[in-house]
Amino acid sequence: KNQVEQSPQSLIILEGKNCTLQCNYTVSPFSNLRWYKQDTGRGPVSLTIMTFSENTKSNGRYTATLDADTKQSSLHITASQLSDSASYICVVSSLDTGRRALTFGSGTRLQVQP
Amino acid sequence: DGGITQSPKYLFRKEGQNVTLSCEQNLNHDAMYWYRQDPGQGLRLIYYSQIVNDFQKGDIAEGYSVSREKKESFPLTVTSAQKNPTAFYLCATKYNEQFFGPGTRLTVL
Repeated sequence: KNQVEQSPQSLIILEGKNCTLQCNYTVSPFSNLRWYKQDTGRGPVSLTIMTFSENTKSNGRYTATLDADTKQSSLHITASQLSDSASYICVVSSLDTGRRALTFGSGTRLQVQP
Repeated sequence: DGGITQSPKYLFRKEGQNVTLSCEQNLNHDAMYWYRQDPGQGLRLIYYSQIVNDFQKGDIAEGYSVSREKKESFPLTVTSAQKNPTAFYLCATKYNEQFFGPGTRLTVL
């Protein structure tokens, strides 16, 4: 069964600090992995996408890593801002078609405090 | 939120009532999806449609119904058969990646 596990479930950090969110997956056959940011009461917005051959990808203060051998990904946020407060969702795509092509993690809720 | 609109943003329903959630897109994407989001859980797929006049059940389709008469529209009806409908509902399209609408929060009174 395809699964995506995220940790921690929630995290509180002070403004300006860095943090790292984790995503472990058991999805096969693997196609790509995306990190989404979801503000409270809003739809998720894509931050990064990583394919099998990519190890690191950055989007501003967000840097995602992927280790396809250990099936782990991380999202590092540098110099956090209050606007980073949101849920971060890891989504893994398989090469399967149809409804089971996407597996969603339950998300990490990040709160940045002043 | 891109070119996907969902309405209403908040919806209240009495027990035993059917309600319909609207989803419209101007992205010209063929595939459209409905997800349900509950606190502490990942998104769960209710229904999806890959082409007009065709749709498929997802993992939690019981108590829900959809139609896809136009490419731009994919409304979701929450029927009285859905025993625990209070949740956040997300509509999405897909073209290489998934694009999400702003969501509708449904509360049963």
